[in-house]
Amino acid sequence: EAGVAQSPRYKIIEKRQSVAFWCNPISGHATLYWYQQILGQGPKLLIQFQNNGVVDDSQLPKDRFSAERLKGVDSTLKIQPAKLEDSAVYLCASSPMVGSSEQYFGPGTRLTVT
Amino acid sequence: DAKTTQPPSMDCAEGRAANLPCNHSTISGNEYVYWYRQIHSQGPQYIIHGLKNNETNEMASLIITEDRKSSTLILPHATLRDTAVYYCIVRVAVAGNMLTFGGGTRLMVKP
Repeated sequence: EAGVAQSPRYKIIEKRQSVAFWCNPISGHATLYWYQQILGQGPKLLIQFQNNGVVDDSQLPKDRFSAERLKGVDSTLKIQPAKLEDSAVYLCASSPMVGSSEQYFGPGTRLTVT
Repeated sequence: DAKTTQPPSMDCAEGRAANLPCNHSTISGNEYVYWYRQIHSQGPQYIIHGLKNNETNEMASLIITEDRKSSTLILPHATLRDTAVYYCIVRVAVAGNMLTFGGGTRLMVKP
């Protein structure tokens, strides 16, 4: 079974530029999560989708961050404009809607804002 | 979800058992104890979870105290590849429920 795929793995941008991250969850997983992990801290949930609907986006800085999952499969997370404090690893995870309560994480995208 | 407390770091000799403690004194009756680990430059990986009985799988054992206020993750024969940050999380075991990560314990396995 293929795992959660993310791209790119690394990205360096200047502040005020925009950036987008892509995630392809495990096939058949209805729930998709985006987490932000700042260096030295545990991951923090940004947004959770169930199929193509948003379940929880209370921690998403909506003035600059946006995310979509149009067909209930792949998802993109965008930052526009980026700030220095957005430097972090952005992790995507997925889980099935029924059955297992475990989450499966991708390798993450490391963003550096200069 | 209940809050957990873990030591920030621990060392373990290769081949010995690694015992990672976690306090969760405010755990609710329907909350499970989950353990994930994160090896450097990788996403977190599920290890094990339990409600009140001790659990064992191919990766680790989970010991939960009778009052459920604390637990211990045991890696019976630690290897260098077990060097990682280990996160203890308590949550209701419902598919689609979010994970709330704390700071975790950084385990260093030394030769």
